[in-house]
Amino acid sequence: DTAVSQTPKYLVTQMGNDKSIKCEQNLGHDTMYWYKQDSKKFLKIMFSYNNKELIINETVPNRFSPKSPDKAHLNLHINSLELGDSAVYFCASTPSRTGGPDTQYFGPGTRLTVL
Amino acid sequence: TQLLEQSPQFLSIQEGENLTVYCNSSSVFSSLQWYRQEPGEGPVLLVTVVTGGEVKKLKRLTFQFGDARKDSSLHITAAQTGDTGLYLCAGAFSSGSARQLTFGSGTQLTVLP
Repeated sequence: DTAVSQTPKYLVTQMGNDKSIKCEQNLGHDTMYWYKQDSKKFLKIMFSYNNKELIINETVPNRFSPKSPDKAHLNLHINSLELGDSAVYFCASTPSRTGGPDTQYFGPGTRLTVL
Repeated sequence: TQLLEQSPQFLSIQEGENLTVYCNSSSVFSSLQWYRQEPGEGPVLLVTVVTGGEVKKLKRLTFQFGDARKDSSLHITAAQTGDTGLYLCAGAFSSGSARQLTFGSGTQLTVLP
């Protein structure tokens, strides 16, 4: 049983295109995240949603738009893709947004390559 | 901005050797976590430390949280090839109404047979 799943696993596209990455968690968690991991393996948070509400929005170009249709899903849409968007994008979830330290459950990642 | 520096960035050792990875910051964190990431997969939590000075052991792995809750170390005894992977520390802090993790720069460990 996959806890956090992402599709697609790989995405190769031309500069200027628009693409979406989907994420689903079946853990019943309230909070979901999108992270970007660059070529140097640095993992940086992009967005966080709690029960469909945006709660963290780091300094990310507005070409990136997250959407959460329900608390089990958090999708990421990227407009006008640029070369610098090439990276591995990870979705993650935690049981709650506050309180004690929570384990982050990560998806397998989506490797985006912009040509 | 909370920054976490890990050292070394790369580490290649022979099976059976011991090693220590360091995670340092100028910021105080409410807790600190260590994750391991294998190629093609997402990070997986190894441990969470909460109290300053806390030491936790997970088989051959020993984790320590600094007294001031600004730094941490991961020590592996008698490394095995299965320990190969990217080790990430992550400090937790509250930002407004949300809890957020700041990840370290990562240590790529390779254990050679």
